[in-house]
Amino acid sequence: DGGITQSPKYLFRKEGQNVTLSCEQNLNHDAMYWYRQDPGQGLRLIYYSQIVNDFQKGDIAEGYSVSREKKESFPLTVTSAQKNPTAFYLCASSSQTGYFNNEQFFGPGTRLTVL
Amino acid sequence: AQSVTQLDSHVSVSEGTPVLLRCNYSSSYSPSLFWYVQHPNKGLQLLLKYTSAATLVKGINGFEAEFKKSETSFHLTKPSAHMSDAAEYFCVVSEGNTPLVFGKGTRLSVIA
Repeated sequence: DGGITQSPKYLFRKEGQNVTLSCEQNLNHDAMYWYRQDPGQGLRLIYYSQIVNDFQKGDIAEGYSVSREKKESFPLTVTSAQKNPTAFYLCASSSQTGYFNNEQFFGPGTRLTVL
Repeated sequence: AQSVTQLDSHVSVSEGTPVLLRCNYSSSYSPSLFWYVQHPNKGLQLLLKYTSAATLVKGINGFEAEFKKSETSFHLTKPSAHMSDAAEYFCVVSEGNTPLVFGKGTRLSVIA
């Protein structure tokens, strides 16, 4: 059963803590993406990776970090430097690198709440 | 740089009546345009996609959209709304090798 999985579904963080959100895909896609979704704001791109061991900042990368050591995995770390991390985080993947007009497949999301 | 504007933040229709969700875009080049749907606390699912082929694009679940270059619009329509269509809808634009740009979304409510 191919698709994208994200874990955990809900995550609670105390101020000052780093947390890591997991994203795994078995679609054999080269490109992976992280988005942040806030109510009424649409989706904003945090980081993306078009190939293993390479990634680029999106529009709102400050306070976040990523790694891409394996093709199927693209974890996102929300660091203590991110001042307002409470949001819904979505991971996506697509089959073709270099062109964003290819369909992106989305995971079910992780809702992060800072206590 | 490209941009997209969804003209209504909330649309409410009765079950069985037509749906119209409006989207205008701005792009310097020939854009690719998408509509995605999101049910509460879920990921996004692609409804349909325009990439410079036919201007009338048919998608899943009876939705379709028409690309009108002269009006820079890509409105989403469905002839008859179903209760299961209640969700958030996003219009998205991309210029080839640039990241997707999402509209702020339109929440569709369907009244029984």
